[in-house]
Amino acid sequence: KQEVTQIPAALSVPEGENLVLNCSFTDSAIYNLQWFRQDPGKGLTSLLLIQSSQREQTSGRLNASLDKSSGRSTLYIAASQPGDSATYLCAVRIQGAQKLVFGQGTRLTINP
Amino acid sequence: SAVISQKPSRDICQRGTSLTIQCQVDSQVTMMFWYRQQPGQSLTLIATANQGSEATYESGFVIDKFPISRPNLTFSTLTVSNMSPEDSSIYLCSVGGVGQGAINYGYTFGSGTRLTVV
Repeated sequence: KQEVTQIPAALSVPEGENLVLNCSFTDSAIYNLQWFRQDPGKGLTSLLLIQSSQREQTSGRLNASLDKSSGRSTLYIAASQPGDSATYLCAVRIQGAQKLVFGQGTRLTINP
Repeated sequence: SAVISQKPSRDICQRGTSLTIQCQVDSQVTMMFWYRQQPGQSLTLIATANQGSEATYESGFVIDKFPISRPNLTFSTLTVSNMSPEDSSIYLCSVGGVGQGAINYGYTFGSGTRLTVV
């Protein structure tokens, strides 16, 4: 059974810092991994999608990497801003299924 | 990527009643997914809704409690029946997965329905 773990559960940093969020999964048989952002009480906004054959994806200040063999992904946020404050979720799509398996999320607070 | 309109955005309901949540997609999709997010928790898949067939439910979720309709390729509803305070959650619909040519697309989510049962 696929399990996804995100560390840390919460993170608070001053504005301007670069930071890394971690995601690990137990079964490397995945189609892809997706990072989402969720604001309090809201739906999910897709940030980055990495296919199983890819090593990384970049969008603006965000960079996500994937090491499928070791079951790990990282989300790097450069020059953090207060508007980046949200919960960040990673999810893997397991092979042979359409469902996503989610981690518990990292609650990020950027202090002005 | 697809755009999903989900409503209502929030509701406060009395225990024992039912609430129907609607999701409208701006393009035709084969499968739609319904998730639940309990307070402080991550997302858990409730069921997968295919047009023209019964929904497929995950372990721990049953059709009597969460009936789903999928009348066409752009619309689906989830009903939360005979509600109790334990049903207080955010409910989200989602589309995505494999598209034409077996291209792996990411998943898109609706804005969520925040349900409080009192």
